[in-house]
Amino acid sequence: EAQVTQNPRYLITVTGKKLTVTCSQNMNHEYMSWYRQDPGLGLRQIYYSMNVEVTDKGDVPEGYKVSRKEKRNFPLILESPSPNQTSLYFCASSPILSSEGIGEQFFGPGTRLTVL
Amino acid sequence: TQLLEQSPQFLSIQEGENLTVYCNSSSVFSSLQWYRQEPGEGPVLLVTVVTGGEVKKLKRLTFQFGDARKDSSLHITAAQPGDTGLYLCAGFSHSGGGADGLTFGKGTHLIIQP
Repeated sequence: EAQVTQNPRYLITVTGKKLTVTCSQNMNHEYMSWYRQDPGLGLRQIYYSMNVEVTDKGDVPEGYKVSRKEKRNFPLILESPSPNQTSLYFCASSPILSSEGIGEQFFGPGTRLTVL
Repeated sequence: TQLLEQSPQFLSIQEGENLTVYCNSSSVFSSLQWYRQEPGEGPVLLVTVVTGGEVKKLKRLTFQFGDARKDSSLHITAAQPGDTGLYLCAGFSHSGGGADGLTFGKGTHLIIQP
């Protein structure tokens, strides 16, 4: 089954304790992306990657890191989480289409992070 | 940062009515996608529009891309309770600086009352 998986689904942590949210896709997609979704602010792109070893900042990259060492995985790293990073996080993947840019984005189930 | 303004932000109507959701920007997009999101789940793609002036239909949903590729609309005919959800537009653009990012609007919360 074609899917994007994220782990963990729920996480409660404390300020300053490093954490990693994993994301994996089995569709051989080139494009992967991380978003955070907050009430009243919508979905905002944190980082994206056009292919292995190619990553770029989105609209809200501060406080986050990513890596793309393999095509299927795109982990999101919070080196020193702070309460303002409490949010619902989505990972997504899509193919890159020459005519349209990117194709349909397939979203993971989301990770609800609370930083105390 | 490119902005996509969606309106209305909230809409509650009776079953059987028609409605239109708008997605506007001052920027040109290579393509524009519409997604629908249910509570507790990730967004799911409804349609992608690419060509200026393009119109796509998905059953009772009609999507239009503006001639200048800066705006789009979603029209629902005879809305049903099953249409209830968060509707999101997302624009993709190529930039000379290498910023091939996707920008989402803040969404339209749609409630269709039986």
